[in-house]
Amino acid sequence: DTGVSQDPRHKITKRGQNVTFRCDPISEHNRLYWYRQTLGQGPEFLTYFQNEAQLEKSRLLSDRFSAERPKGSFSTLEIQRTEQGDSAMYLCASSSIQGLKNNEQFFGPGTRLTVL
Amino acid sequence: GQQVMQIPQYQHVQEGEDFTTYCNSSTTLSNIQWYKQRPGGHPVFLIQLVKSGEVKKQKRLTFQFGEAKKNSSLHITATQTTDVGTYFCAGGWRTYKYIFGTGTRLKVLA
Repeated sequence: DTGVSQDPRHKITKRGQNVTFRCDPISEHNRLYWYRQTLGQGPEFLTYFQNEAQLEKSRLLSDRFSAERPKGSFSTLEIQRTEQGDSAMYLCASSSIQGLKNNEQFFGPGTRLTVL
Repeated sequence: GQQVMQIPQYQHVQEGEDFTTYCNSSTTLSNIQWYKQRPGGHPVFLIQLVKSGEVKKQKRLTFQFGEAKKNSSLHITATQTTDVGTYFCAGGWRTYKYIFGTGTRLKVLA
């Protein structure tokens, strides 16, 4: 399988709990993006990596959100002390910086988070 | 701040009619991308425009990038039921950060 995968696909948690999501990008892709999408809205930029370096993080993101991409391969997004407003679909996308498909973002299926 | 607005929010058309969605950025873009998202699915890349005034066609879809690189449009000729979905533009800057528009949800009535 050469697509972007995300795990888990669904997560239900209670308010105040911590959650962690994983994204496995397409293997040769250097860039990895995290977005959040709520119903009827476009994907909202959260953060992105080039290789293992986190180059930008949304100012809308509180300190409860953190992302890592050790060794420039898979990435994790952690949300601490979840709130009901965190309920959304969390999308991961990866892209290459070269070649014919330069910058084309390939999205994973997403992780749907529900905070009770 | 960087903002990308998209109109209309919804569009219902009869099959065979044309459809256009418009995208405007608050600042000059480096490039713009267009994506399609089917209900229950994830965004799928359609195209990227980079040059000022660029026009690209994909079968019945025509994409334009404004001269000032602050606006873009997607036009579908003779819509089909398979065109149903939400179309998003995504404004890109030199930092490779992308801001998505709110999307236009297209319904095609057979």
